[in-house]
This record gives sequence, structure tokens and C-alpha cells, in this order.
Amino acid sequence: EPEVTQTPSHQVTQMGQEVILRCVPISNHLYFYWYRQILGQKVEFLVSFYNNEISEKSEIFDDQFSVERPDGSNFTLKIRSTKLEDSAMYFCASSWWSTEAFFGQGTRLTVV
Amino acid sequence: SQQGEEDPQALSIQEGENATMNCSYKTSINNLQWYRQNSGRGLVHLILIRSNEREKHSGRLRVTLDTSKKSSSLLITASRAADTASYFCAMLTQGGSEKLVFGKGTKLTVNP
Repeated sequence: EPEVTQTPSHQVTQMGQEVILRCVPISNHLYFYWYRQILGQKVEFLVSFYNNEISEKSEIFDDQFSVERPDGSNFTLKIRSTKLEDSAMYFCASSWWSTEAFFGQGTRLTVV
Repeated sequence: SQQGEEDPQALSIQEGENATMNCSYKTSINNLQWYRQNSGRGLVHLILIRSNEREKHSGRLRVTLDTSKKSSSLLITASRAADTASYFCAMLTQGGSEKLVFGKGTKLTVNP
């Protein structure tokens, strides 16, 4: 069964550093997403990506964040100048149109 | 806010009992989905119910949707210890947005 894969599974970074979280969505899906979940809390929408551009973003997704689909298979989330409060699980997901989303296993980002 | 609200926030039952979790939301939806998350892991899609459907079954899962009350319920019958997880409802709203908006989740513990 096709699946969404995310790397790395765990990333530790110094405050102020830049990190890139990587995802390989399911190949024939149209929509790609990043979500975030601070430990023990709700799953928060960050951004959706369709037709090679951002289709929607939340208020969390400010200038510190960017997404890219550089080669038609990978989907990346870049976080510039990380802060302690960026520590969370980051989930990538993909979907067809108005169907269920398939989520990766997540990247646990720890900012120290 | 479009966010869903689940209740109860936590539920503890004995193996073999049924577990019912409820979700309420505020806006018109295209569909409503239920996801499961084991501790620290990714989100696994369980079932999707469209706005024109009232009930759906999948194995031991039964989902109902009442769009007039803007609510849904997830019933897990004959629960097992392996069903212990957090369960989230997620709404795909109408109006062209393809983002899922998650509720806060119900933490289910099934005691052997």
C-alpha cells in the first residue's frame, strides 16, 4: 500500500538554526499538507499546497516557514531561525480531491 | 473557529465494552473523517463520511453524522486493549478549501 514517508524521524537543532523537514507524498495525490502537533495537544494545520503553489496557509505559517516541491516527488518544509516554541511533531500528508488524507509518521523537532 | 470539539476528552473502558466518542463542529462540511493516533505516532485514517451520508460502518467502527446538529459520533464495538489510542475527528469544510480541521481528540484507554 502506498504511504507517505517523512525524514528524519527526529531532528534536534539549536535555537536560531534553519531546519528542513522532508516528505515524499503519495505519487498520484493532488494536495500536500504540513500539520504540527505540540506534545499532547491538537493537530494544527500549517499549509496546503496544490498545483505547485500554496493554496492555503494558517496564521502560524508566517515568514519563518516556507514549503517547496522541488522535483515532483519531494515536499519540504523549511523553518528559518528556529525558536524553542517550534518544538513539535510535524506531519506531512497528501490526498486526492475531497478524500481521506494520508499522513506520514512525523518528524519530531526539538529546538534546544 | 471551524475547529471541532470532541467529547469526552478522555474515556476509560474495559475490554469488550463499546466506546462512543462525539464530535461537534461549527461550519458546513464536505465530509468528516475520523483518525486514530497511537502515542507519539502518525495519524491513521479510519473512516470518512460525506455530508449527504448519515451512517457508515467499517468492521467494528460505526460513524454517524447529523448535519442539522453539526455533530458526529464514532462507536467502537467490542473494544480491545489494542484500541487504546487518541481519536480525532477532522472536518473538510465546504467552499473550496481542501484543508482538514482537527478536533482536540478523545484519549481512549481500553483496560484488559
